[in-house]
Amino acid sequence: DQQVKQNSPSLSVQEGRISILNCDYTNSMFDYFLWYKKYPAEGPTFLISISSIKDKNEDGRFTVFLNKSAKHLSLHIVPSQPGDSAVYFCAATPDAGNMLTFGGGTRLMVKP
Amino acid sequence: EAGVAQSPRYKIIEKRQSVAFWCNPISGHATLYWYQQILGQGPKLLIQFQNNGVVDDSQLPKDRFSAERLKGVDSTLKIQPAKLEDSAVYLCASTRDRGAPLHFGNGTRLTVT
Repeated sequence: DQQVKQNSPSLSVQEGRISILNCDYTNSMFDYFLWYKKYPAEGPTFLISISSIKDKNEDGRFTVFLNKSAKHLSLHIVPSQPGDSAVYFCAATPDAGNMLTFGGGTRLMVKP
Repeated sequence: EAGVAQSPRYKIIEKRQSVAFWCNPISGHATLYWYQQILGQGPKLLIQFQNNGVVDDSQLPKDRFSAERLKGVDSTLKIQPAKLEDSAVYLCASTRDRGAPLHFGNGTRLTVT
């Protein structure tokens, strides 16, 4: 069973516009959520995280929103840039630990 | 700081052969992970080490996969014998502290024919 799901395998956005990537989870024990970004032939790199005690966390152009009641989180990128084109993975873990469960990823393409 | 190093970058083997992957984590990182990423899917945890002890290997197919971390630094992951469904990218990651983000290596892409 997939405990973390990213239902959109791909997303295409125009440069300068907002990119919204979504993630749903089923395990109510998850209390810490992360987004990783992956370029081809490279390992995932950490982007931003959020604890379950918050509903929003912001870092520059990146904002993550958490809706615990809906078991849903989203990553907003504003404004989107061509260099943001990559695969984005949502991940979750219980007890703010490091046993991460990843979603299947969303490929973002930002067109110039 | 130097990143997580993995080798080889690519490996092609025939089914039933054996293969080994190597990982050198970031200096000072006590916790090391091996993940398997099948094409089109997210990474799946295979095993977690804390120093040279295994913390969790519940998702490691122990009939064919083995891993060790001697002296609490480098680690090797072995598959013997390989199956077609083992074709994937094998990612090594490390972290200094509980709750700190994982640092991933660039992975080893394994193709089993």
